Amino acid sequence: DGGITQSPKYLFRKEGQNVTLSCEQNLNHDAMYWYRQDPGQGLRLIYYSQIVNDFQKGDIAEGYSVSREKKESFPLTVTSAQKNPTAFYLCASKGTVYSNQPQHFGDGTRLSIL
Amino acid sequence: AQRVTQPEKLLSVFKGAPVELKCNYSYSGSPELFWYVQYSRQRLQLLLRHISRESIKGFTADLNKGETSFHLKKPFAQEEDSAMYYCALSGLDTDKLIFGTGTRLQVFP
Repeated sequence: DGGITQSPKYLFRKEGQNVTLSCEQNLNHDAMYWYRQDPGQGLRLIYYSQIVNDFQKGDIAEGYSVSREKKESFPLTVTSAQKNPTAFYLCASKGTVYSNQPQHFGDGTRLSIL
Repeated sequence: AQRVTQPEKLLSVFKGAPVELKCNYSYSGSPELFWYVQYSRQRLQLLLRHISRESIKGFTADLNKGETSFHLKKPFAQEEDSAMYYCALSGLDTDKLIFGTGTRLQVFP
């Protein structure tokens, strides 16, 4: 069954703690993306990666970090520097970069602060 | 600046009524426009894209470059159309997908 898998579905973070959200895809897609979804604000791009071992900041990268060591994996770390991390996080992928192919989305991870 | 505007946060209609979800954009190049839909407890998924010029689930959207709009329309709304709808923009000179803030469609029986 092809697709994008995000885990965990729910995640809780203590103050000052870093947490990592997982995103795996078996679609053989080159490009992967992380978005943050807040009520009334739509989706905002955090980071994206066009190829293995390369990634670029999106519009709201501060307080987040990513890695792209494998084509199928693009984990997102929410660091303690992110002062307002409570949100719904969506991972997406697309077949090739700079193409007009649509992005495919995962089910999301909801992060809350304890 | 690249921007997508969805002026309505909530649109409520009765079953069988026509529906139009508005989307306006600002983009200096040649945009690719999409409509994504998120049904309750389901993942965000592509509904349609302007280059396909197709009708999905009875919905259509026409790109109007003069008015920089990409409104989503359906002549007769169904209860199962109730969902969150996002208009999004991309372009060949950017790998980013820019989303609007979304419109929640509620279709009452």
